[in-house]
Amino acid sequence: DTEVTQTPKHLVMGMTNKKSLKCEQHMGHRAMYWYKQKAKKPPELMFVYSYEKLSINESVPSRFSPECPNSSLLNLHLHALQPEDSALYLCASSQGLAVPGNTIYFGEGSWLTVV
Amino acid sequence: GQNIDQPTEMTATEGAIVQINCTYQTSGFNGLFWYQQHAGEAPTFLSYNVLDGLEEKGRFSSFLSRSKGYSYLLLKELQMKDSASYLCAVRLGTSGTYKYIFGTGTRLKVLA
Repeated sequence: DTEVTQTPKHLVMGMTNKKSLKCEQHMGHRAMYWYKQKAKKPPELMFVYSYEKLSINESVPSRFSPECPNSSLLNLHLHALQPEDSALYLCASSQGLAVPGNTIYFGEGSWLTVV
Repeated sequence: GQNIDQPTEMTATEGAIVQINCTYQTSGFNGLFWYQQHAGEAPTFLSYNVLDGLEEKGRFSSFLSRSKGYSYLLLKELQMKDSASYLCAVRLGTSGTYKYIFGTGTRLKVLA
């Protein structure tokens, strides 16, 4: 049973707001990911956490701040976003970076609109 | 840089077979994965290849040639519900530092 849950499903925020996206998995996965997806485009990798430590940051602007409080939770803190940051934000998890053949499983995503 | 290319759109008829190609030029290749994504939904895993050859999984098969930087996803006995975007993703890196980079995606339309 694979399940990654994300909240909220929809979020509208102003450019001066501070908000957070949350992601949770109970599959015992040790790697978690944030992707950003614009309409009709593929997902773009933002961050990778491995064993609760940030291992990859794909040169993401500092207005996006990830946090991994424990191995089951992943947050994305948002502050001073721009309208062009409006997108679907996908969380994903996998067994662990050093396991051959493992794949990533996605949550339903959080639709973010910045006004 | 990393390049992963797919045809933008394809159309096929219900009951037919369709092949979706993916070519890649990347460094540190460690596997190729195929995902299906319906509009407004998250991608779901279909198949993966780490070694050269064909992997079959029900109506879906995926092929990989690492020397050619080439993969394809074969969908048999197409159904209307197969209308979706199909994404190939390359896993890059070495043990301990992997990341998955997605191709441009192929929108498949299945016609009755």
